[in-house]
Amino acid sequence: KAGVTQTPRYLIKTRGQQVTLSCSPISGHRSVSWYQQTPGQGLQFLFEYFSETQRNKGNFPGRFSGRQFSNSRSEMNVSTLELGDSALYLCASSWGATSTDTQYFGPGTRLTVL
Amino acid sequence: AQSVTQLGSHVSVSEGALVLLRCNYSSSVPPYLFWYVQYPNQGLQLLLKYTSAATLVKGINGFEAEFKKSETSFHLTKPSAHMSDAAEYFCAVSYPSGNTPLVFGKGTRLSVIA
Repeated sequence: KAGVTQTPRYLIKTRGQQVTLSCSPISGHRSVSWYQQTPGQGLQFLFEYFSETQRNKGNFPGRFSGRQFSNSRSEMNVSTLELGDSALYLCASSWGATSTDTQYFGPGTRLTVL
Repeated sequence: AQSVTQLGSHVSVSEGALVLLRCNYSSSVPPYLFWYVQYPNQGLQLLLKYTSAATLVKGINGFEAEFKKSETSFHLTKPSAHMSDAAEYFCAVSYPSGNTPLVFGKGTRLSVIA
């Protein structure tokens, strides 16, 4: 069974631009979560989607948004990029609730904002 | 709110020596606890998880962890370190009844010296 895939793997943007990251979960998984990983803050939860509905949201500004499609694929968007948005963005999928089911992580998208 | 504290941001052991990575959690209700490993330029991989069954949990690659309620701890151990164990390790907690997302510790980087 194929794992979680994320595209693109690497991205370089400049301040003020916007970016869209994509995540394809493991086949059959209905839940997708997004995390931001930085050396200073560690792993921080962004949001979780289950069956196209946002179920949880972390403490991030409104510039960060996401959505989930009917095939469970998910995208996250960051508008008006800031230097501090440079990070590894990880997507994880699980069959059901993320609080109980094992999450399987993708390799991440490395975003660099110049 | 639940939280996780990992003692020691960097642990160094000799090859063949015992690996002990510490994790303490705060939770007013029975938690689920997880250990994940992250190799360079990769996503997170689940090592093991505690879901209120056996207190001693065995995971992949020879790792195990023991849930100690009285000490609110979930330390990760491996009897004999291998060079391939060098990676970043993350402890995480969730509340299964609260439908809350995973909360991760800051991580511990394990170095293995030949």
